[in-house]
Order: sequence, then C-alpha cells, then structure tokens
Amino acid sequence: SSELTQDPAVSVALGQTVRITCQGDSLRSYYASWYQHKPGQAPILVIYGKNNRPSGIPDRFSGSSSGNTASLTITGAQAEDEADYYCNSRDSSSNHGVVFGGGTKLTVL
Amino acid sequence: QVQLQESGPGLVKPSGTLSLTCAVSGGSISSGHWWSWVRQPPGKGLEWIGEIHHTETTKYNPSLKSRVTISVDKSKNQFSLRLSSVTAADTAVYYCARVDTGVIILYYYYAMDVWGHGTTVTVSS
Repeated sequence: SSELTQDPAVSVALGQTVRITCQGDSLRSYYASWYQHKPGQAPILVIYGKNNRPSGIPDRFSGSSSGNTASLTITGAQAEDEADYYCNSRDSSSNHGVVFGGGTKLTVL
Repeated sequence: QVQLQESGPGLVKPSGTLSLTCAVSGGSISSGHWWSWVRQPPGKGLEWIGEIHHTETTKYNPSLKSRVTISVDKSKNQFSLRLSSVTAADTAVYYCARVDTGVIILYYYYAMDVWGHGTTVTVSS
C-alpha cells in the first residue's frame, strides 16, 4: 500500500504564514484532504479537492498540489490554529484503501 | 445536518472482540456516501480501519483485514465495527466518519467531511 509523508512538527509566529506538506504516490491521482485535530476533539476537515474549504473554515486555510506533493497553507496563523494536521487520500495502489499521513504538529509562537 | 455518534463498551478484554456502532442522524446512510472507521492510539496518529457503502461493499486496512468486519444496518441507519482478537495495541480512540468522494477535472478526491466525537476503547484484563 502507499504512504503519505509529513514533517512531524512545524512552528510559525503569530500572524505569519506557514506551509505544511504531504508527499506520496497517491497524490499523483488523488487530491489530498487536510484535517485539523485538537486534543480531545474530533478531527475537522479543513481542505479537500483542488482547494475547497467546507462551510465554516476560515479563508486563511488554503490547499495546493504539484506532482506527488500536497500543501496546506495557513496565511496569518492564529493561536487557535495550533493543532495536529493530517493529510489523507485514497490509496492508489491495488487495494484502493485509504491512507493518512503521520501528522504534523503545528505550534503557533 | 448529518451527525454521527459512536457507542459501545469502553473496556474489552485481551483476545476478545471490540464492537462499536455509529448512529447516523440528520441524513440517510443510503445517501450514496461511504462510511468509515478511524482510530488513534495514545500518542500516535490517525489510522484508517475500513469503510462500507450502503450497498454493503467494504474496504479494509490490509494490516487489520483479518480481524475486522464492518457492517451496515439500513433499518436502524447505523453501521458497526467488529475487531476480533484484540490486544493492548488496539487501545485507541475510535471515530466514525462520513466520506465524500468525487472527481474534479482529472483528479479524484476523498474527504471525511463529518466525524463522530470519538469513543475511547481500552483493551485490558
């Protein structure tokens, strides 16, 4: 099965821009989806498709992709954005299951 | 709007079977979506367990496939997870989620757009 690779941790100064990346072969066929996950809460979908935000997600969240790499960008990071962020997609290998990245812990300084 | 709620025992004995149910409200489980189970062991990341369509087609994580069964009960608008021969490594928060899939230009997308709150399952004697 395929894998999705994320940096374990990223930090950003309050109000600055941060990019979180996700790499994997599946991303040559599937857009990545991105989830924000805070302790004790359910994950929340923040970006899906080419660059789509579900209702209620602030427009400082955006997504992009190129080749086998997808990126989640937070423009003007806020304190409440501190969380774990996961990418996922369907697995493009024969089993067509689902894969998650290992997660990126975002710290807002 | 659609809401999901997990339920089931919070404690399971080693070698036993973990059984959870996800109740779907505010929408029909036969709406054409896939319905998924995801877990997060303590201190680790999210792990996909498997999913089911209302047609009862299933897909499972290859690493868990021999122990997992996901089923759907359309009359009760719910779907269920059974994980057999559990060990301490199966201790986790278990989430159910609705899946939205589609095609945009030449790319597919797969997104878990509605999640349950999660339920903690501990495997211990």
